[in-house]
Amino acid sequence: NAGVMQNPRHLVRRRGQEARLRCSPMKGHSHVYWYRQLPEEGLKFMVYLQKENIIDESGMPKERFSAEFPKEGPSILRIQQVVRGDSAAYFCASSPNSRGEQYFGPGTRLTVT
Amino acid sequence: GENVEQHPSTLSVQEGDSAVIKCTYSDSASNYFPWYKQELGKRPQLIIDIRSNVGEKKDQRIAVTLNKTAKHFSLHITETQPEDSAVYFCAANFGNEKLTFGTGTRLTIIP
Repeated sequence: NAGVMQNPRHLVRRRGQEARLRCSPMKGHSHVYWYRQLPEEGLKFMVYLQKENIIDESGMPKERFSAEFPKEGPSILRIQQVVRGDSAAYFCASSPNSRGEQYFGPGTRLTVT
Repeated sequence: GENVEQHPSTLSVQEGDSAVIKCTYSDSASNYFPWYKQELGKRPQLIIDIRSNVGEKKDQRIAVTLNKTAKHFSLHITETQPEDSAVYFCAANFGNEKLTFGTGTRLTIIP
């Protein structure tokens, strides 16, 4: 059973460009969570999705950030018009149900130049 | 609000000794408390978790205790080894599915 997959692992974008981060949950998991981790800091919740639904986006900035988890394919976190402050590691986690353990992917390290 | 405090921020322990990391949470409705280990540049790995209907859980050298009345929980690592060196994060849910994480403890095992 493959673990949570994320790609790309490293992403470099210039200010003003768009960043698309992908997450494929573990097989059988229909709950996906996105977290952001700044260097030397903890993980901050951004958004929680189930297939085709955003359940909780209370941690995601209202501007420039969006997330989706379509019926087919991976979950995508999209950051438009990136700024230097968006540089961070973005992790997704998946769970089989709402009470289940969350397993993390390897993360995407976004660098904005 | 949703808050998890974690102490200490750094901890150095002689190899073979025990390490204890403590966390407190703010919401009495929290019922799930996982612990994650993160090595440099790697993903957070779930190492142990506990639910609110249990006071203690053990898995080999790792144990977690929960005091619901005081709203705190602790990670205990016994017979520490060099490979235990990492950053450890506690977390709690707040009546919903998302996790709020502590700020992390950098554990260094001194050979």
